Amino acid sequence: DQQVKQNSPSLSVQEGRISILNCDYTNSMFDYFLWYKKYPAEGPTFLISISSIKDKNEDGRFTVFLNKSAKHLSLHIVPSQPGDSAVYFCAASLGGSNYKLTFGKGTLLTVNP
Amino acid sequence: DAGVIQSPRHEVTEMGQEVTLRCKPISGHNSLFWYRQTMMRGLELLIYFNNNVPIDDSGMPEDRFSAKMPNASFSTLKIQPSEPRDSAVYFCASRPGTAYLNTGELFFGEGSRLTVL
Repeated sequence: DQQVKQNSPSLSVQEGRISILNCDYTNSMFDYFLWYKKYPAEGPTFLISISSIKDKNEDGRFTVFLNKSAKHLSLHIVPSQPGDSAVYFCAASLGGSNYKLTFGKGTLLTVNP
Repeated sequence: DAGVIQSPRHEVTEMGQEVTLRCKPISGHNSLFWYRQTMMRGLELLIYFNNNVPIDDSGMPEDRFSAKMPNASFSTLKIQPSEPRDSAVYFCASRPGTAYLNTGELFFGEGSRLTVL
């Protein structure tokens, strides 16, 4: 069973517009959430994270929103740039002594010039 | 700074052959993870080590898969015998210790793309 779900396999947006990537989770015990970005032939790289005690975290053009009651988080990229074109993975952690990350399947974002 | 180093980057082998994937974590990191990426299942955790000790191997598909971490700077993932359904990209990742407690951030290698014919 997929505990972290990214239901949109792909997303296409115009340069300068907002990109919104969504992620749902089923395990209410997850207490830390991360987004990773992956370019072809490279490993995933950390982008931004949020603790379950917060509902928003912002870093430059990237903002992650967390809605615990809905078990939903989203990544907003504003403004989107062609260099943002990549696969974005949502991940969740139980924290504490359990260090493993559970990933979604990823969403391919294409930003068109 | 050297990141996580994986080898080989690409491996093509025939069904039934033994495959060994190698990983050198970032120096000073005491947790190491092996993930597998496929189109169908995304990124799946296979096994992870803490201070060279396997902590959770529940993601290892079956007995054909085995992983070792003989020291803090080296780990292997072995598949014997390999099957076509093992074709995937295998990622190794590492993480520092207490400074990153509860954050979960991992540092990934570039992956080993395995094709089993």
